[in-house]
Amino acid sequence: GIQVEQSPPDLILQEGANSTLRCNFSDSVNNLQWFHQNPWGQLINLFYIPSGTKQNGRLSATTVATERYSLLYISSSQTTDSGVYFCAVERRKTSYDKVIFGPGTSLSVIP
Amino acid sequence: ETGVTQTPRHLVMGMTNKKSLKCEQHLGHNAMYWYKQSAKKPLELMFVYSLEERVENNSVPSRFSPECPNSSHLFLHLHTLQPEDSALYLCASSQDRGDHEQYFGPGTRLTVT
Repeated sequence: GIQVEQSPPDLILQEGANSTLRCNFSDSVNNLQWFHQNPWGQLINLFYIPSGTKQNGRLSATTVATERYSLLYISSSQTTDSGVYFCAVERRKTSYDKVIFGPGTSLSVIP
Repeated sequence: ETGVTQTPRHLVMGMTNKKSLKCEQHLGHNAMYWYKQSAKKPLELMFVYSLEERVENNSVPSRFSPECPNSSHLFLHLHTLQPEDSALYLCASSQDRGDHEQYFGPGTRLTVT
């Protein structure tokens, strides 16, 4: 089946720093989402981005579907950005849709 | 607030108990999902429900039984669980299956003793 890798696995940032998180996938996909999981377990949608570039405040994301990767940019990081960032891809098969989550990047932003 | 609620938020049960997890979405979506998140492992899709059909992950043991009485409610019935079933169980919904964003509930933290 399709493999999803995320890097780095762990990241510590000083407040105000910028960072780039990467998601690689091993096969063509129909959809890709980025999520932030806060320390209480809630998954929050960040971007639905099967291709192209989107921006939302301090966050932006780019997916290059032909090269099978997506990037999440966090600028001017804040302590509230701490948590785990997941990318999830969807590859539609003939009988059902299969959603695969990556292992996540654990981000800690320190004051 | 994502529009998806789950109850209970925390559950402790013995291996011989029967319990149910409840999920409700207020988004008018047609598809609902159950995921399992164990420590140190990626989220695993367990079940997908839409108006038309249920899709199962073949590796889900029969001690987990989903029920979708209507498009707004999803249940996960649990019986004779094992300690390794302790995990965070997350419910999600989307407008339809495929090509749509999924929105997640806050999860139920399950501990099996």
